[in-house]
Amino acid sequence: NAGVTQTPKFRVLKTGQSMTLLCAQDMNHEYMYWYRQDPGMGLRLIHYSVGEGTTAKGEVPDGYNVSRLKKQNFLLGLESAAPSQTSVYFCASSNHRDRPNEQFFGPGTRLTVL
Amino acid sequence: KNEVEQSPQNLTAQEGEFITINCSYSVGISALHWLQQHPGGGIVSLFMLSSGKKKHGRLIATINIQEKHSSLHITASHPRDSAVYICAVSDYMGGSQGNLIFGKGTKLSVKP
Repeated sequence: NAGVTQTPKFRVLKTGQSMTLLCAQDMNHEYMYWYRQDPGMGLRLIHYSVGEGTTAKGEVPDGYNVSRLKKQNFLLGLESAAPSQTSVYFCASSNHRDRPNEQFFGPGTRLTVL
Repeated sequence: KNEVEQSPQNLTAQEGEFITINCSYSVGISALHWLQQHPGGGIVSLFMLSSGKKKHGRLIATINIQEKHSSLHITASHPRDSAVYICAVSDYMGGSQGNLIFGKGTKLSVKP
């Protein structure tokens, strides 16, 4: 099993460009999450999904959109990138049947917006 | 005030030393998690506990629910233990989806 994978691993964008980050998991997990990690701050939740076709806002959703068309994939989109979105992005998934739930993390995507 | 506070922020130790990292939280929780993030960036779960103590190899995690405090101990530390250790709490009650609230992490460096 690959677990949680993320593509791409690195990306450099210019202000105003758009891009999509892909997260895929092969553990048949219902719950998926997108976080960003910035220096001096803890991981912050951007958006999450509790199942195929459903998404919800987290702590810092502005400037991002998400989609969960397939259970195994969770996409994070930046429509018009800004320098403030320079960060490391982590995807995670968990099994909704576990209470409390352990989250499994992807390797991260380092995004730089110039 | 942050809901999850870790101390210290940075820690340097000599190989073989006993290490303690502390985590305090201010919200009701269903569980507390300790995570490890190596310099390469990947994050792995070390422990998930809601009471008492858990041990895995040289790592020990304890939690005191009444005092809202947890500690992560590393015995006989080794340079390969150098990493950022992150405390997080599960905010799962009733219908909640178990989102995690993270501390800022403790950066540990173990010198040979």
